[in-house]
Amino acid sequence: AQTVTQSQPEMSVQEAETVTLSCTYDTSESNYYLFWYKQPPSRQMILVIRQEAYKQQNATENRFSVNFQKAAKSFSLKISDSQLGDTAMYFCAFTINSGYALNFGKGTSLLVTP
Amino acid sequence: DTEVTQTPKHLVMGMTNKKSLKCEQHMGHRAMYWYKQKAKKPPELMFVYSYEKLSINESVPSRFSPECPNSSLLNLHLHALQPEDSALYLCASSRLGHLHGNTEAFFGQGTRLTVV
Repeated sequence: AQTVTQSQPEMSVQEAETVTLSCTYDTSESNYYLFWYKQPPSRQMILVIRQEAYKQQNATENRFSVNFQKAAKSFSLKISDSQLGDTAMYFCAFTINSGYALNFGKGTSLLVTP
Repeated sequence: DTEVTQTPKHLVMGMTNKKSLKCEQHMGHRAMYWYKQKAKKPPELMFVYSYEKLSINESVPSRFSPECPNSSLLNLHLHALQPEDSALYLCASSRLGHLHGNTEAFFGQGTRLTVV
């Protein structure tokens, strides 16, 4: 079974600062994919960034980057230059290759303050 | 068009009512999903349709009945629900008939269901 753990239920960061959200996972699979999804108060889940387990290079998308440590089974999200619009619940998620289900962590509620 | 559209956005129903939730996508995606999300919790997978066939039913009670009339439309029929079924119901779709690293799941904005 695959499990995803987010150990930070809530975090707060000031505008323009950098924040890191942590995520660890457990799996016996060798071929899998990791995602960070954002769910703002509007409720829609939006993909922030994805990482293929076979790629050593960490994924980046503009202000968002990940630190993927495969041996440690760690997948943290770094948000640089935080903006008020980044306020949302962030879910770390996992799926195996050709899988159907996204296994979500419990989420981290991020508040960006002025 | 990169949208998954869910209707209605809000629904209040009695325990004896029958209602349906609707989900549409016109991206040519071949997999569609129903998730249930309670407040401050992650989404929980309910059903997966792949190429219009039910691929996964996560032991969901029979008072929830999914239907996929065509590749663009997914319904969730509700009957004799309980108050604990009150939740946000999210629909999602993905390009392939299954998830893959370069195939993201697109989510709708959900239907907020309240059972009274």
